[in-house]
Amino acid sequence: RKEVEQDPGPFNVPEGATVAFNCTYSNSASQSFFWYRQDCRKEPKLLMSVYSSGNEDGRFTAQLNRASQYISLLIRDSKLSDSATYLCVVSGSSNTGKLIFGQGTTLQVKP
Amino acid sequence: DAGVTQSPTHLIKTRGQQVTLRCSPKSGHDTVSWYQQALGQGPQFIFQYYEEEERQRGNFPDRFSGHQFPNYSSELNVNALLLGDSALYLCASSGPTGDNGYTFGSGTRLTVV
Repeated sequence: RKEVEQDPGPFNVPEGATVAFNCTYSNSASQSFFWYRQDCRKEPKLLMSVYSSGNEDGRFTAQLNRASQYISLLIRDSKLSDSATYLCVVSGSSNTGKLIFGQGTTLQVKP
Repeated sequence: DAGVTQSPTHLIKTRGQQVTLRCSPKSGHDTVSWYQQALGQGPQFIFQYYEEEERQRGNFPDRFSGHQFPNYSSELNVNALLLGDSALYLCASSGPTGDNGYTFGSGTRLTVV
């Protein structure tokens, strides 16, 4: 079983749609959780951290369920510029900053 | 303020050769981690350097080795290259615990032929 699992997609949605990505992780001792965005042939960039209380940044909402070891990302009112790969990322259980990435979910927003 | 700088940006090597990739961390960061990203996959952790020592290692063979210098910059060395080593190699810098975030370089794209 992979440490972090995501549906690779692709998700093809029209502009203005709401889309949700899900992710599960296997290590219950994981400490920190993130969503990264990666554009084609570019480096990953932090989209947002994920907290148990849930957090929102504009059109983006992230949720963490520690009991179910489940992370989600909701994108509202999708824009063409949201087209990218979204990576679910979990830090290791030791406090050394190792990041464990999921495979990534590809989003294509169409006009 | 410079972010993470990686060199070279692209590289083509032949099977069996050796390669060295370089990374300069973001100013104020002292920890460097290396990741391998194959096409269509998420980045995979290779190893992390802190205080000039390898602090943590992922599931990669000994052909993959590294070094960190006193100025916190780092090198990734891969010996006896295989076709399967073709990938984007990413360097990420951070503080020692990563609490203040990770910054990725734009990567080195290695092609082994």
